[in-house]
This record gives sequence, structure tokens and C-alpha cells, in this order.
Amino acid sequence: NAGVMQNPRHLVRRRGQEARLRCSPMKGHSHVYWYRQLPEEGLKFMVYLQKENIIDESGMPKERFSAEFPKEGPSILRIQQVVRGDSAAYFCASSPTVLNTEAFFGQGTRLTVV
Amino acid sequence: GQQLNQSPQSMFIQEGEDVSMNCTSSSIFNTWLWYKQDPGEGPVLLIALYKAGELTSNGRLTAQFGITRKDSFLNISASIPSDVGIYFCAGRKDNAGNMLTFGGGTRLMVKP
Repeated sequence: NAGVMQNPRHLVRRRGQEARLRCSPMKGHSHVYWYRQLPEEGLKFMVYLQKENIIDESGMPKERFSAEFPKEGPSILRIQQVVRGDSAAYFCASSPTVLNTEAFFGQGTRLTVV
Repeated sequence: GQQLNQSPQSMFIQEGEDVSMNCTSSSIFNTWLWYKQDPGEGPVLLIALYKAGELTSNGRLTAQFGITRKDSFLNISASIPSDVGIYFCAGRKDNAGNMLTFGGGTRLMVKP
């Protein structure tokens, strides 16, 4: 049973470009969470999705950031018109259908904006 | 917003020593979790605590959920070089799925 798969592991974008980060949850997991980690800091919650639904996006910046978890395929975190401050590690976690079961984290995507 | 204050920020200890780190919050959490993160990797769950006052062990690791639900500590006994990494506490509210609030981390360095 493969773990949470994130790709790419590393992504370099120039300012103004778009970044697309992908997350394939563990098999049987229908809940996906995205977190952002700035250097030397803890993870900060961004968005919680179930298949085809955004449940909570209270941690997501209001502009340029969007997330989806389609019926088929991975969850996508999309950052438009990236700026230097978007440089961070972005982690995805997934959990099974039953709530309050601990989530498993992926290895993250390290985004560098140059 | 909510914050978890984790201390110490870093520790440099001798192999074989015991380690203690803690986390405090201004608000109540119903679950406390402790994670370890190695360089370039995602957090890995070490211990989960679900009841106030609960004391749980996982090998050389012991963690406790504070009675007030506003704090937790993690102890590592007889540290070894592979304990090196960053340890994070995280809190979760009721009915919050896995939307976690993380502490700032404790960076542990072990001298052989």
C-alpha cells in the first residue's frame, strides 16, 4: 500500500509563473489536507478537501491560491503568479473516510520562486 | 490565530541522555499529536493522545496530554544518534477532521 505521493518533489518557478502541486492520497483515503511550511517553522494548515468538495479553506490565502480534489485523479494545489514569499515546502496529508483517524503525510513539494 | 508554543527551540545533547520538550496553548485541544520530521521529508506520527491526563509510551518515547488540555510534553529516554531531527507537537479540535495546529518545532541534535 503506497503512502501519500506528492509530485514533483522539487519545483522551481520564476516570479509570475504558475505552480501546480499534486497529491495522490493513500488508497482508500478520501480526505486530503494541504499544509505549508516556511523555513524553520511548523506546518500551517491551508485547506481540507474531500472528493469534489472543499470542506475548509480557512488557511488558504484569498488570492492566487486554489485547490481541488476531483472525482478521478490527484488533488491539485495551484498557485498563480507566484511570488518569492510563496517559496516553501507544501505537504499533503490524507486520512480515511472515518473522521478523527490520524492522517499520513507525503514527502512534500519544495517550491522555490526565483 | 491559534498558536502552539513549543520549547525548547533546539537542543544539543550527548548520546544516552534523556530529552524533554513541551508544548503549550492558549486554547483547548481534544487531541495532541507528536511528529518527527527528518530533513527533506514529511512529518511522521510518533504518538497520539486522546484523553486529558493520558500518558502514552512508544518505545523510548513517552508523551502526556495535560489535564487542562492546553499542554503536552514528550520525553525521549536514552537518546541515540538517529533521534536527530525536528519534533513537532500538533493539536486538533473536536470535529476538525485532521486540520491540525502545529508548534514551531524542537530541533534535536545528538552528539555520539
